[in-house]
Amino acid sequence: DTAVSQTPKYLVTQMGNDKSIKCEQNLGHDTMYWYKQDSKKFLKIMFSYNNKELIINETVPNRFSPKSPDKAHLNLHINSLELGDSAVYFCASSQDLQPGNTIYFGEGSWLTVV
Amino acid sequence: AQSVSQHNHHVILSEAASLELGCNYSYGGTVNLFWYVQYPGQHLQLLLKYFSGDPLVKGIKGFEAEFIKSKFSFNLRKPSVQWSDTAEYFCAVRAAGNKLTFGGGTRVLVKP
Repeated sequence: DTAVSQTPKYLVTQMGNDKSIKCEQNLGHDTMYWYKQDSKKFLKIMFSYNNKELIINETVPNRFSPKSPDKAHLNLHINSLELGDSAVYFCASSQDLQPGNTIYFGEGSWLTVV
Repeated sequence: AQSVSQHNHHVILSEAASLELGCNYSYGGTVNLFWYVQYPGQHLQLLLKYFSGDPLVKGIKGFEAEFIKSKFSFNLRKPSVQWSDTAEYFCAVRAAGNKLTFGGGTRVLVKP
C-alpha cells in the first residue's frame, strides 16, 4: 500500500492550460506538503497544510492553488500553465508540525509544459 | 532564514570505495537534520535523521551521519559503497516554523 500517492505520475500539457495534481496519504497524518523539484534537482517547498489549514505559502504564483478537502488529501491546481512550470511535483506528509517528524514523500508527478 | 549547502554536486567513485558527502547549514537555533536519497526515477526516501542525543546517527543501508554543532555540519558517510547506491542525496534541515529546507543535492555515481 502506497503511503503517499499522487496522480497523475506523468502529465504533458500545453501552455495556458489548467491542470490538477491529486494527492492522498493513508498514514493518518495531520500535515501535508507540496514540493517542486526543478530540472537541476533543486527541491523547494511550495505549500504546507495542517489539518486542512494553510501554514506555509512560499512565494508561489497565485496561479498555483492548493486545496485540502480533508486531512488526507491535498490537491494542487495550476492555472494558465507556463513553460517554467515544468518540473517534478512531490506531495508529502508528516504526523504533525513537530520539526523532528519524518516527512514522507509521494512518487512525484512529472509535469511537462510544451 | 535557514539554508543548506551541499558542497559536492557530483561524486563518482568505484564500488567498495568510501563515501562522504558534506552538508552545512545556517541556522542559529535548534535544528533537526535529515538525509534523503532519491534513486533514479523514484521518490525521496529517508536515509537517516538527527533529532537529539548521540550526534552519530546510523541509518538504513549502512549509511551514517555525524552532527557537529560547532561546525553546523551533518556529513553523510558510508564505508563501502555499492553500485546500487547510485542516486541523488539530499541534506535537509527543519527548524522552527516547520519548513524543511533542502540542500541542492549531490549526485553520486558508483561505477561497478
